[in-house]
Amino acid sequence: DAKTTQPNSMESNEEEPVHLPCNHSTISGTDYIHWYRQLPSQGPEYVIHGLTSNVNNRMASLAIAEDRKSSTLILHRATLRDAAVYYCILPHLNAGNNRKLIWGLGTSLAVNP
Amino acid sequence: DGGITQSPKYLFRKEGQNVTLSCEQNLNHDAMYWYRQDPGQGLRLIYYSQIVNDFQKGDIAEGYSVSREKKESFPLTVTSAQKNPTAFYLCASSPDGRGAYGYTFGSGTRLTVV
Repeated sequence: DAKTTQPNSMESNEEEPVHLPCNHSTISGTDYIHWYRQLPSQGPEYVIHGLTSNVNNRMASLAIAEDRKSSTLILHRATLRDAAVYYCILPHLNAGNNRKLIWGLGTSLAVNP
Repeated sequence: DGGITQSPKYLFRKEGQNVTLSCEQNLNHDAMYWYRQDPGQGLRLIYYSQIVNDFQKGDIAEGYSVSREKKESFPLTVTSAQKNPTAFYLCASSPDGRGAYGYTFGSGTRLTVV
């Protein structure tokens, strides 16, 4: 199964950009790269996803390496509400031709006022 | 507004009892999932369903059962065979199972064995 590796924690100051890295060296050609974030005692919230090209939406940007073995979630101006655990996951197509999400421990982002 | 509704938010179970967690979505999504989250850990897949009347075991299916009789509904039963059921349970859905679209999560059910 495709696996992702993220730093356990990161820290940022309010209104500064944040770059959250993710390594996924075993990614296959058809795996999308998804990012979610989770606040305590809440369900994960979709942030962004992509396949090969960089992606932008109102929440964040996703930069995908040319070889697709790593990606970076970019929060352009961190706010206190961005403090959460960020998960990089791959909906992986397994041998049974079914897709499932492989979740790691994520990166806990702290935002300082 | 479309979304996923999980109920109840909190659930207490006595030892030896079966309990059923509800998950309903009005997003017209084909695929639905159940995850378990323990403190300080990532989500682990219990069961998933890519289409009505079909479901597959995830990584930790022992002690759990599901049904998918309707597209909108994917209830999870935690049976007495699940030895350590105290956890945060999350239901999710996606338009299909390919990962080409985002996944939508419910707000979770916190189950405690008393």
